[in-house]
Amino acid sequence: AIQMTQSPSSLSASVGDRVTITCRASQGIRNDLGWYQQKPGKAPKLLIYAASSLQSGVPSRFSGSGSGTDFTLTISSLQPEDFATYYCLQDYNYPLTFGPGTKVDIK
Amino acid sequence: EVQLVESGGGLVQPGGSLRLSCAASGFTFSSYWMSWVRQAPGKGLEWVANIKQDGSEKYYVDSVKGRFTISRDNAKNSLYLQMNSLRAEDTAVYYCARKNIVISSFDYWGQGTLVTVSS
Repeated sequence: AIQMTQSPSSLSASVGDRVTITCRASQGIRNDLGWYQQKPGKAPKLLIYAASSLQSGVPSRFSGSGSGTDFTLTISSLQPEDFATYYCLQDYNYPLTFGPGTKVDIK
Repeated sequence: EVQLVESGGGLVQPGGSLRLSCAASGFTFSSYWMSWVRQAPGKGLEWVANIKQDGSEKYYVDSVKGRFTISRDNAKNSLYLQMNSLRAEDTAVYYCARKNIVISSFDYWGQGTLVTVSS
């Protein structure tokens, strides 16, 4: 199975900060990667698909990049509603695997 | 509006069985792959199973193979997860999700149903 790692596991940031989260796959997955946001007690929400495409309705401050094994999620200017946990998911082959998550909280 | 509503969760003893359901509305259910994803308390997300539009292909995470069965009834716009031989480590919130193969992602999720395996 493809292993997904994320860094950092958590970070503290302020409103307005630029935030970058990294996801790494144990083998090449082309651009078959999505990013999901989850708030406590809620279902995950798709932010980015195909590594860099913004899901409809998601604010443009979210962006994704990368291909192969290394991927990045960037929030250009952190907003209060962005404090959450973020997961990457590889959809290249089965079993589908999520990264362990990155928790973004308030500094 | 796309809606996915899970039901069927609850408390079950180790070794027991449970059947989860997911009622879909607001889209052509028979046109989409569907999935189950779970999250143990305080832990991350884990993909559990996928099923093709007509039910002809099914995929599972290794930890549930031989114990869980994903199925669907397109006439009833419903997705199911039959869970047998349940273990404590199956305790989790189980989410139903729509798999959009055009964008290769889970684009809609239900609110989840909690399964607790304990004596």
